[in-house]
Amino acid sequence: GESVGLHLPTLSVQEGDNSIINCAYSNSASDYFIWYKQESGKGPQFIIDIRSNMDKRQGQRVTVLLNKTVKHLSLQIAATQPGDSAVYFCAENRAAGNKLTFGGGTRVLVKP
Amino acid sequence: SAVISQKPSRDICQRGTSLTIQCQVDSQVTMMFWYRQQPGQSLTLIATANQGSEATYESGFVIDKFPISRPNLTFSTLTVSNMSPEDSSIYLCSAGQGGPDTQYFGPGTRLTVL
Repeated sequence: GESVGLHLPTLSVQEGDNSIINCAYSNSASDYFIWYKQESGKGPQFIIDIRSNMDKRQGQRVTVLLNKTVKHLSLQIAATQPGDSAVYFCAENRAAGNKLTFGGGTRVLVKP
Repeated sequence: SAVISQKPSRDICQRGTSLTIQCQVDSQVTMMFWYRQQPGQSLTLIATANQGSEATYESGFVIDKFPISRPNLTFSTLTVSNMSPEDSSIYLCSAGQGGPDTQYFGPGTRLTVL
């Protein structure tokens, strides 16, 4: 099937290491952010979200950090596993109506 | 979370024809959206599918090319009209409760236009 992320920046990570994926956003009025994981041939899968009144949120093996001062969002994956290999997108809610604007995406490749 | 299905999962179509993509959600949702994802690219919002009224299109997308229906709170269709090879893409629907809030995505429809 079609491959997602052919032309995207790639982060190569050794299995077991931590991964950090970064995302810059442009609209200071954005109030809600989501990280999605997209495996080849599938739709984006929700990972974790954060609202603008927070600067950190943790899930299972994942942490999202929000720095509103520099308009920067990051996703940290602890103890990266082969199943984490995918393309990761950040998305921001910029306007009323729950419309999301997606970042360019980062391909994570986990090496055994 | 909502479970979303799309039909067809993929299709190969001839130039000048139209294809209608269906999106079904397993529960009632406030918001439904249609996105396009060109090969190796990120997602671009096409339109918001409004229940009982005309869809709201983003800049660069028009109703004549991408007519959308949303007859109820669990179902929507997107038609890609008068297709050309440039329409070859993955088309995704998503759903959420409004908010801002999380949007969940369907598996996508992979369209190839010859």
